[in-house]
Amino acid sequence: SQQGEEDPQALSIQEGENATMNCSYKTSINNLQWYRQNSGRGLVHLILIRSNEREKHSGRLRVTLDTSKKSSSLLITASRAADTASYFCATESNAGGTSYGKLTFGQGTILTVHP
Amino acid sequence: DADVTQTPRNRITKTGKRIMLECSQTKGHDRMYWYRQDPGLGLQLIYYSFDVKDINKGEISDGYSVSRQAQAKFSLSLESAIPNQTALYFCATSDYQGGPQYFGPGTRLLVL
Repeated sequence: SQQGEEDPQALSIQEGENATMNCSYKTSINNLQWYRQNSGRGLVHLILIRSNEREKHSGRLRVTLDTSKKSSSLLITASRAADTASYFCATESNAGGTSYGKLTFGQGTILTVHP
Repeated sequence: DADVTQTPRNRITKTGKRIMLECSQTKGHDRMYWYRQDPGLGLQLIYYSFDVKDINKGEISDGYSVSRQAQAKFSLSLESAIPNQTALYFCATSDYQGGPQYFGPGTRLLVL
């Protein structure tokens, strides 16, 4: 079963607009990460936010984490055509108090940015 | 040069054949992982290894086996391939528990 569920499944916007993707998860976590995948290629790590953090920035990326709601959002500001990709959240669960460092990935959001 | 490499990049095989997918890394990481991705889906963990002597099953290990030949090498084998193992396979590494993972380019496998 998938720990992370992304919403929406697909998002289509114009260049320059902001893109927001959401991720919900089920168990308590140590951290949550976001990855990008260009079509058929390997995933690229974007940002990691720890469970005691509420917001993190990296360039045009802004990630928020609400552990009480078990949810996270990824905001890409001023999107570009090159941002077109699938975006995945991944969680490191500490359910049961034990973490083995494994990540559980959601099914992803397909983002299309039109020039 | 890529830090995580996978060979082959594409493979077509027949039902019942044994095949091996190889992964090498130059990042010096102890932790290595094998995932499969089916179209339109996220990644499912097949096996993971925290060092040369430590290998663990993931969510979907049935039908797969692995070998950690060295810190830098982690191979995935399909003992007797079946069509529903057709997928995109990724190897990944990480430096510390729960840390960012670094992915190879993937192997696209088709089982006929």
